[in-house]
Amino acid sequence: QKEVEQNSGPLSVPEGAIASLNCTYSDRGSQSFFWYRQYSGKSPELIMFIYSNGDKEDGRFTAQLNKASQYVSLLIRDSQPSDSATYLCAVNKYSNYQLIWGAGTKLIIKP
Amino acid sequence: DTGVSQNPRHKITKRGQNVTFRCDPISEHNRLYWYRQTLGQGPEFLTYFQNEAQLEKSRLLSDRFSAERPKGSFSTLEIQRTEQGDSAMYLCASSPGQGPEKLFFGSGTQLSVL
Repeated sequence: QKEVEQNSGPLSVPEGAIASLNCTYSDRGSQSFFWYRQYSGKSPELIMFIYSNGDKEDGRFTAQLNKASQYVSLLIRDSQPSDSATYLCAVNKYSNYQLIWGAGTKLIIKP
Repeated sequence: DTGVSQNPRHKITKRGQNVTFRCDPISEHNRLYWYRQTLGQGPEFLTYFQNEAQLEKSRLLSDRFSAERPKGSFSTLEIQRTEQGDSAMYLCASSPGQGPEKLFFGSGTQLSVL
């Protein structure tokens, strides 16, 4: 079992709809959870982080964390073609500086 | 430009040669990280510096890899006796070191070992 798992996709969503991306992790001691977006050929860029159970909203993005079930999700409302990218989930496991990454979910927003 | 800068952008080398990459972090960031990423995978942690001190190095990293951050500013990553399996994107990231880690990545160095 991988430490951080994501469905590789691609996940295809119509423009204007809600895109839902999921991530599960294996270590119950994980403390912080991050979503990064990576466009093809580019470096990852941080979208959101969350460390408390529940929802955290930032514009069109909502991160959801459920530590009991060991999953974290990212919702993108009113999806735009510019949201088409690979979304990487990263988890802080051992310390405050080493992140464990999932392989990413490729999201395609269809106009 | 106040972002993370990496050089070179691309490096092609023959197996067995040594290569060195450079990273200039955001100036006020005291934390610096090196990651490696292959196609279809997430970044893999290599090493971490706080100022000039190398505080952690991945157990997966062989002794052919070495990194330095003299004076706590720019950093270099050297790979000795390169192998074809070293072919990857090498990413540098910096962080202000406050609260949950928020990494700012450079554009990366794409290494191809022939």
